[in-house]
Amino acid sequence: EPEVTQTPSHQVTQMGQEVILRCVPISNHLYFYWYRQILGQKVEFLVSFYNNEISEKSEIFDDQFSVERPDGSNFTLKIRSTKLEDSAMYFCASSEVRGAVGADGYTFGSGTRLTVV
Amino acid sequence: AQKITQTQPGMFVQEKEAVTLDCTYDTSDPSYGLFWYKQPSSGEMIFLIYQGSYDQQNATEGRYSLNFQKARKSANLVISASQLGDSAMYFCAVGSGNTGKLIFGQGTTLQVKP
Repeated sequence: EPEVTQTPSHQVTQMGQEVILRCVPISNHLYFYWYRQILGQKVEFLVSFYNNEISEKSEIFDDQFSVERPDGSNFTLKIRSTKLEDSAMYFCASSEVRGAVGADGYTFGSGTRLTVV
Repeated sequence: AQKITQTQPGMFVQEKEAVTLDCTYDTSDPSYGLFWYKQPSSGEMIFLIYQGSYDQQNATEGRYSLNFQKARKSANLVISASQLGDSAMYFCAVGSGNTGKLIFGQGTTLQVKP
């Protein structure tokens, strides 16, 4: 079964450092997403991406965040200058179609646990 | 705007019994999808079941079924014959038929007792 792959699974970084979280979406999927889950809290939408541009972003996705699809297979989330409150699990997801109206086409990765110290 | 409410922060169920996890939603999208995910302590999001807003029948996937009441905007998850491995956090989410964004509820922690 096709998977969304995220690397690394865990990352520890110092406050103020830049961090890049990587994702390889399912190959025939065209829509890509990042979500965040602070420990013990709900999963929150960060950003959606299609056709090499951001489709929608949440209030959380401020200027410290950016996304990129550098080479046609990877989808990355960059946090420019990490803060303690950026510590969370970050999930990548991809979907085949634009709307979330089909279970088969919406797949989450296993997440990257980011710890900012 | 979309909103999901899961009113049960924690639930207990005896092994082999059925349990219902509540979820109500609010959305202005005419087309939307409802998702349930399981999140074990390891952290990954495991897809359980999906219901489309235009689906006439309630979705079922093995021991999971979704009690979809569109007029009441509820999408409760029913787990039959609970197993110890069902102990986890469960999230309900509503997906926009337009944008693809998922909005999640706060989650319900389920503990299955032997």
